[in-house]
Formats: sequence, C-alpha cells, structure tokens
Amino acid sequence: EAGVTQSPTHLIKTRGQQATLRCSPISGHTSVYWYQQALGLGLQFLLWYDEGEERNRGNFPPRFSGRQFPNYSSELNVNALELEDSALYLCASSLPPRAPRFFGPGTRLTVL
Amino acid sequence: GESVGLHLPTLSVQEGDNSIINCAYSNSASDYFIWYKQESGKGPQFIIDIRSNMDKRQGQRVTVLLNKTVKHLSLQIAATQPGDSAVYFCADNQGAQKLVFGQGTRLTINP
Repeated sequence: EAGVTQSPTHLIKTRGQQATLRCSPISGHTSVYWYQQALGLGLQFLLWYDEGEERNRGNFPPRFSGRQFPNYSSELNVNALELEDSALYLCASSLPPRAPRFFGPGTRLTVL
Repeated sequence: GESVGLHLPTLSVQEGDNSIINCAYSNSASDYFIWYKQESGKGPQFIIDIRSNMDKRQGQRVTVLLNKTVKHLSLQIAATQPGDSAVYFCADNQGAQKLVFGQGTRLTINP
C-alpha cells in the first residue's frame, strides 16, 4: 500500500513569489494535515482538511492557504513568500477521528 | 500558549543499552499523546500512542509511560540498535486533530 506522497521534493523560490505544494493521502484516508518544520524547530500545525473542508488552522497568516480535492489530495499554497517560510513542509493523512499517524517525506521549500 | 517540551535535545547511548526519552506537557486537559521517530530526510513515523486513561503502554521494544500528576511522559526503547538513531518527538493532541509537537530529542547510538 502506498504511503503519503508529496511533490515536489524540493522547491526554490524568491521572496514575494507563490509556492504550491501537493500531497496525496493514503488510500481511504479522508483527512489531510499540513505541518511546517523549520530548521531546529519542531513541527508546527498549519492546516487540517477533511472531506474537502478546512476543519482547523494553526497560528499562521492568511497567506498560507490550501484546499482539498474530491479525491482527498491536497494543495498548500503560500503567497508572498518570505525568507522565514523556508522550511520542510510535511503532509500527513488519517481517517478521523484518528489523529495523523502517517507522514509523507516532505517538501523542502527554500526562499531566496 | 500551550507547549510540549523535551528535557534534553540530545541523547547518546551505547548499542544494546536501554534509552529513555522524556517529554513534559503543559495542557492539563490533554488526553492523547503520540511518539514519533524521524530519520534524516524522512517524515515522522508513528511509534506508539497513549491515552490519558492509561499510565503505561507497551509496543515492540518500546514502552511509553504517562504521569498525569506531573504532566510528564517518557519513551523507553529497550536494547537500543543502530537503526534507532533518529530524532524523537512527543506530540499532544489538543483537539480538532491539532497535534502540538515538542522540539525533539536526537538519539545517537554508540557502537
């Protein structure tokens, strides 16, 4: 069974640009979670999507947004990129009410 | 805000010894905790979880202990192996599927 997949593996952008990150959950999972892992820091909760709706949001500005598609895959969009957005962005999936157990390998975003 | 913290950022043990990784949490209403292992270049991997109605749970070579009185949990790894080298995170489910992670402890195994 395929795990959580993410693309791209690496993404390099410049300040002010927009980034789009993608995630495919484990088959059968309806929830997708996004986390940011900045260098030297733990994982910070970004967003939770379930059945196509945003269910919860972490303490991030509105320029972090996303969506979930009918096939339960998800996109994370980061607008007006800032240098401090450079981080590993991790996606996880689960079948609620279970908390996320399975994470993808992440997308390394570098903002220059 | 609420936080989850770890006592030590690094831990070095001899191969074959037991490892104990500690974690403190501050939200007394927390009722579900998860330990994850993250190897270099990979996403976190679920190890074991525990609910607040338990004080101990065992898995394969791992045991999690929960002390609600002092808001502390620990992960014990028996007979540590080279493949156990990783960063270990505790996480606290604070409702609406929001996990709050600690900063992580890097476990290094000495041969």
